[in-house]
Amino acid sequence: QQQVKQSPQSLIVQKGGISIINCAYENTAFDYFPWYQQFPGKGPALLIAIRPDVSEKKEGRFTISFNKSAKQFSLHIMDSQPGDSATYFCAGRRDSWGKLQFGAGTQVVVTP
Amino acid sequence: DGGITQSPKYLFRKEGQNVTLSCEQNLNHDAMYWYRQDPGQGLRLIYYSQIVNDFQKGDIAEGYSVSREKKESFPLTVTSAQKNPTAFYLCAIQGGPGTEAFFGQGTRLTVV
Repeated sequence: QQQVKQSPQSLIVQKGGISIINCAYENTAFDYFPWYQQFPGKGPALLIAIRPDVSEKKEGRFTISFNKSAKQFSLHIMDSQPGDSATYFCAGRRDSWGKLQFGAGTQVVVTP
Repeated sequence: DGGITQSPKYLFRKEGQNVTLSCEQNLNHDAMYWYRQDPGQGLRLIYYSQIVNDFQKGDIAEGYSVSREKKESFPLTVTSAQKNPTAFYLCAIQGGPGTEAFFGQGTRLTVV
């Protein structure tokens, strides 16, 4: 079963706009929630991550908001740029050794 | 790529043949992982290894085999028993419990 549900499947945003991607999880044992960015033909690269005892984490234009009671978390990309056009994956980590459960991914297209 | 090398980048095989994908790392990391990625889907865990000469099945291990004879190498064999082998295969490494996982650039396997 899909333990991490990600939405939307794709989104188009204008340059300078805000991209918002949402994830919901089922497994309360997850101890860490990373977001990965993937460009076509490349491996995913870690973008930003959060632990469940923190409600928000910001790194540059990227912010994770985390709602433990609702079992939801989201990625906000502020001032979106064409170079941000990529597929974004949320994930939950099942234990400290890094077995990740991924969402299905969101393809983001930033138009000039 | 953080010291992870996956080869080859593209691989073509005829149906019914076994094929081995290479993953090598030079960071002396303990854990190595194999994930499979299909279009429009997130990554799914095939096998993982936390120490030499030991490995564990992930969520979709059927039709795959691995070995971990050396710390720096974790090859994945896609056997003829794998029903739908065409996919993008990603190797990841992790230094230890609680540390980040980093992905290689992937091998795209096409079985015809």
